[in-house]
Amino acid sequence: DGGITQSPKYLFRKEGQNVTLSCEQNLNHDAMYWYRQDPGQGLRLIYYSQIVNDFQKGDIAEGYSVSREKKESFPLTVTSAQKNPTAFYLCASSIGSRTRQETQYFGPGTRLLVL
Amino acid sequence: GENVEQHPSTLSVQEGDSAVIKCTYSDSASNYFPWYKQELGKGPQLIIDIRSNVGEKKDQRIAVTLNKTAKHFSLHITETQPEDSAVYFCAAPSSRSSGSARQLTFGSGTQLTVLP
Repeated sequence: DGGITQSPKYLFRKEGQNVTLSCEQNLNHDAMYWYRQDPGQGLRLIYYSQIVNDFQKGDIAEGYSVSREKKESFPLTVTSAQKNPTAFYLCASSIGSRTRQETQYFGPGTRLLVL
Repeated sequence: GENVEQHPSTLSVQEGDSAVIKCTYSDSASNYFPWYKQELGKGPQLIIDIRSNVGEKKDQRIAVTLNKTAKHFSLHITETQPEDSAVYFCAAPSSRSSGSARQLTFGSGTQLTVLP
């Protein structure tokens, strides 16, 4: 998993509850990403961060929030505003180059289920 | 923005045969094309990538070819083995990339099954 850890592996959410998914990397990468994966579909970008204290919305940011207080950590909060949160959540990181595309490395994922 | 289409969505081959998965992209400025393998319940793992300054790249039984004129790239797996069974995703740079967090747009995935 390339030095990226995600926890927990499984997470259960009750109605109206906010839950936070953890993502940590020890690759010294500047850029980090959160994706959502639904069954039989590709990866959709939720949020991304270029550097500490900076983050931008991706394609499906509604109902989610993030923070980037440390270079190695990029937690994702699934808020009660996200009405269909059941999915597989993947965190990724890359070196962070302004001049060319660099490889994104993925964590093992967190499966979120609604009770 | 970039649009990536991947075909087929499912592919079954006999062990030892070859498998080919194809992706097309829309942005002619795209210059980096990775392929990921995702096993059930795990995160995607990069298996091979290619940049637009070359037309083909090989790594043992895996190869990727790029046709910039037609805007498509393909993954070729030869001498397939049961452990090759997984979902494979292609990707291309998003035209919305900016700064150092350069985004990727992913294909919808191909479920490859290698029959023993």
